[in-house]
Amino acid sequence: RKEVEQDPGPFNVPEGATVAFNCTYSNSASQSFFWYRQDCRKEPKLLMSVYSSGNEDGRFTAQLNRASQYISLLIRDSKLSDSATYLCVVNDDGSGTYKYIFGTGTRLKVLA
Amino acid sequence: NAGVTQTPKFRVLKTGQSMTLLCAQDMNHEYMYWYRQDPGMGLRLIHYSVGEGTTAKGEVPDGYNVSRLKKQNFLLGLESAAPSQTSVYFCASSSMAGVETQYFGPGTRLLVL
Repeated sequence: RKEVEQDPGPFNVPEGATVAFNCTYSNSASQSFFWYRQDCRKEPKLLMSVYSSGNEDGRFTAQLNRASQYISLLIRDSKLSDSATYLCVVNDDGSGTYKYIFGTGTRLKVLA
Repeated sequence: NAGVTQTPKFRVLKTGQSMTLLCAQDMNHEYMYWYRQDPGMGLRLIHYSVGEGTTAKGEVPDGYNVSRLKKQNFLLGLESAAPSQTSVYFCASSSMAGVETQYFGPGTRLLVL
């Protein structure tokens, strides 16, 4: 089993739709979780951190389910500009070590 | 603030040639990282540094060396390039390990023929 798994997609959705991505992780000791956005041929950029209680930033909502070891990202009212690859990132073991584990990414296409 | 910068942006090498990729950050971050990104695979850590003068191996260190002589710079060297090292290389930095955001440079595209 991969340490961090994501559905590669692509998810093709119309503008205005709501779309959700899940990411599963294998290390139950992981403590820090992030969603990054990566545009084609660009560097990853932080979209949002994921907190235990869940958190929201505008149209984006992130949730953490420790029992089932997955995190999710919900995008409401999708915009054309949301088209990108979304990377799930998990800190390795929560001991403050260097290691961030990256998923392979889920590709989103928002269609006009 | 420029954030994290990388040079060069693109390079073509022949097998066996050497080169150095330079990463610079102006955020006074302690931690710096070198990753490679290949199609269908997540970013994989090559080497990292927890402070000036320190380096350590990551997940895929073979064929690469690094140095961090100054806090703001992290160099990645390929002594004898191989086609398997064709990839996009990203440098990143963070103020702390694990719990803090990583900031990435724009990447270096390397093609080894």
